[in-house]
Amino acid sequence: AQTVTQSQPEMSVQEAETVTLSCTYDTSESDYYLFWYKQPPSRQMILVIRQEAYKQQNATENRFSVNFQKAAKSFSLKISDSQLGDAAMYFCAYRLYSLISNFGNEKLTFGTGTRLTIIP
Amino acid sequence: EAGVAQSPRYKIIEKRQSVAFWCNPISGHATLYWYQQILGQGPKLLIQFQNNGVVDDSQLPKDRFSAERLKGVDSTLKIQPAKLEDSAVYLCASSLRSTMNTEAFFGQGTRLTVV
Repeated sequence: AQTVTQSQPEMSVQEAETVTLSCTYDTSESDYYLFWYKQPPSRQMILVIRQEAYKQQNATENRFSVNFQKAAKSFSLKISDSQLGDAAMYFCAYRLYSLISNFGNEKLTFGTGTRLTIIP
Repeated sequence: EAGVAQSPRYKIIEKRQSVAFWCNPISGHATLYWYQQILGQGPKLLIQFQNNGVVDDSQLPKDRFSAERLKGVDSTLKIQPAKLEDSAVYLCASSLRSTMNTEAFFGQGTRLTVV
């Protein structure tokens, strides 16, 4: 079974600074997706960034970037120029990938989350 | 584009009572998920539908939880009877039915408190 581990229950960062959230995962599969989701107090899970395991290039989305180390099964999120609106719970998640439609492969396995606080 | 709609936002019930949650996915999304998020934990899949058929309900406590998705659109999740440990946020999500589409869109969830 796949597992996702986030070892930092809480993190804080000064506004405009950079912060890195850690995530490790365990899987015997070679093809999969990794995600970072943001969950503000409204409770809605919002996709921040996605990484395909077959891609060597790290994904970036504006101020958000990842450091994907497939051999080490590590997937960290870097937030640059932190803003007050970035304050939220951040969840790392894993999903299998298959070229063949395979019902049941689509579920997300989440870590326990990291609460990020932005200090003005 | 309208997002995933869930109701109610909050519900407080006594143990042994029953409760139902409703979800309306994004139009055209064939896959629908119900996740349970206990305080301090990440969401855990309860059940996945493909149109109106169940794909995965291996983590659904079937002695008390049930779910249906009539006509492959709206879905209802029911708990009967509720236990204290069912207190959680229940998240509904939907996605297009495609192996190349990887994004699930989530609703705002229903926070259930069982007292």
